[in-house]
Amino acid sequence: DGGITQSPKYLFRKEGQNVTLSCEQNLNHDAMYWYRQDPGQGLRLIYYSQIVNDFQKGDIAEGYSVSREKKESFPLTVTSAQKNPTAFYLCASSMIPQGGQPQHFGDGTRLSIL
Amino acid sequence: AQTVTQSQPEMSVQEAETVTLSCTYDTSESDYYLFWYKQPPSRQMILVIRQEAYKQQNATENRFSVNFQKAAKSFSLKISDSQLGDAAMYFCAYGGGSNYKLTFGKGTLLTVNP
Repeated sequence: DGGITQSPKYLFRKEGQNVTLSCEQNLNHDAMYWYRQDPGQGLRLIYYSQIVNDFQKGDIAEGYSVSREKKESFPLTVTSAQKNPTAFYLCASSMIPQGGQPQHFGDGTRLSIL
Repeated sequence: AQTVTQSQPEMSVQEAETVTLSCTYDTSESDYYLFWYKQPPSRQMILVIRQEAYKQQNATENRFSVNFQKAAKSFSLKISDSQLGDAAMYFCAYGGGSNYKLTFGKGTLLTVNP
């Protein structure tokens, strides 16, 4: 079955450490997105990618980095510059990069600070 | 910038009854889409329903329907014959127009009482 796979499900970060969250899709979608979800908040866009080798900052990109070397993969790195990384992270994709397209989501990764 | 407001942080409904979740949005665009997503305790985001702004007819998916009032910028979700499995956080989202991203409201937590 087609879908989005995020790993790991739970991740712990030490002070000063960079960690990378994986997102893989087999839906053949062009666009991919990373969101952050905090308690009592909606989803906030971190980065998005319209096509391979291209990505743009979202609303809260500071302290994060991404790459899009393959159509299927859009990993997110939470750097040590992100001072409050504890949150639930969701990866999504859509067939084309257009806001009217439904987005399909992975199961998420919960990141916590050790 | 577009904004999405869900004024009900929590709602509850008796099983088999009907409940309506409210959503208002602000935009200056004429071409856009609106969505309701469901996030059950498993945390996966599931698309419930999608409405195209240029369509006057309200979208319906089985027990889920919307009341789209374009002039009032209102997009409420009605759940009929509520079931225990409907218990979840519901997010209203705006997309399309000149934007690639979805803008989410803060969510409404729906409890279904047996």
